[in-house]
Amino acid sequence: DVKVTQSSRYLVKRTGEKVFLECVQDMDHENMFWYRQDPGLGLRLIYFSYDVKMKEKGDIPEGYSVSREKKERFSLILESASTNQTSMYLCASSLTTRFYEQFFGPGTRLTVL
Amino acid sequence: QQQVKQSPQSLIVQKGGIPIINCAYENTAFDYFPWYQQFPGKGPALLIAIRPDVSEKKEGRFTISFNKSAKQFSLHIMDSQPGDSATYFCAASDFAGSNYKLTFGKGTLLTVNP
Repeated sequence: DVKVTQSSRYLVKRTGEKVFLECVQDMDHENMFWYRQDPGLGLRLIYFSYDVKMKEKGDIPEGYSVSREKKERFSLILESASTNQTSMYLCASSLTTRFYEQFFGPGTRLTVL
Repeated sequence: QQQVKQSPQSLIVQKGGIPIINCAYENTAFDYFPWYQQFPGKGPALLIAIRPDVSEKKEGRFTISFNKSAKQFSLHIMDSQPGDSATYFCAASDFAGSNYKLTFGKGTLLTVNP
């Protein structure tokens, strides 16, 4: 059974803290993605990666960075968390040959106080 | 900038009804159009996808209709069931930078009443 796991389901942080969200996939997928999901705004792409150590900006990269040191792991970093980064964060992965099929993790609900 | 416009935002139907969700796009570089289904507390999952050279695709009770000239596509759910209650997202893919990415619509919350 294919699986994308995220390190935490719920996370509460303070403004200004550095936050790490971890994502691991066990499907040997080349591509990995980070989205945030907000009510009424749908899924918005933050960053994606098509190979180890490679990254591409998505539609809303400001305030975020990513790291992909191993194929199966993709980390999202909030250098200095702000209240407007309170959101649901979803990680996904896909094969390049089936690029339209992304497998999503269950999400991390991040609250920044 | 919203590149995929989805409507309606929410939809309520009775069991057995045929909910229809519509999406429109402007970017002619989009080359694949998947639909995702998301249940509460879960991540979205691929439901069905269509290429722009196909006008219709059916998988079970789910049908995508695609109108390339109008740049519109829609999802129909035949004989809808309460278990179909979920949020549905349309999406479109294009090649960005060095690989494909998806642009999602804002989602439609579907409620199927028993």
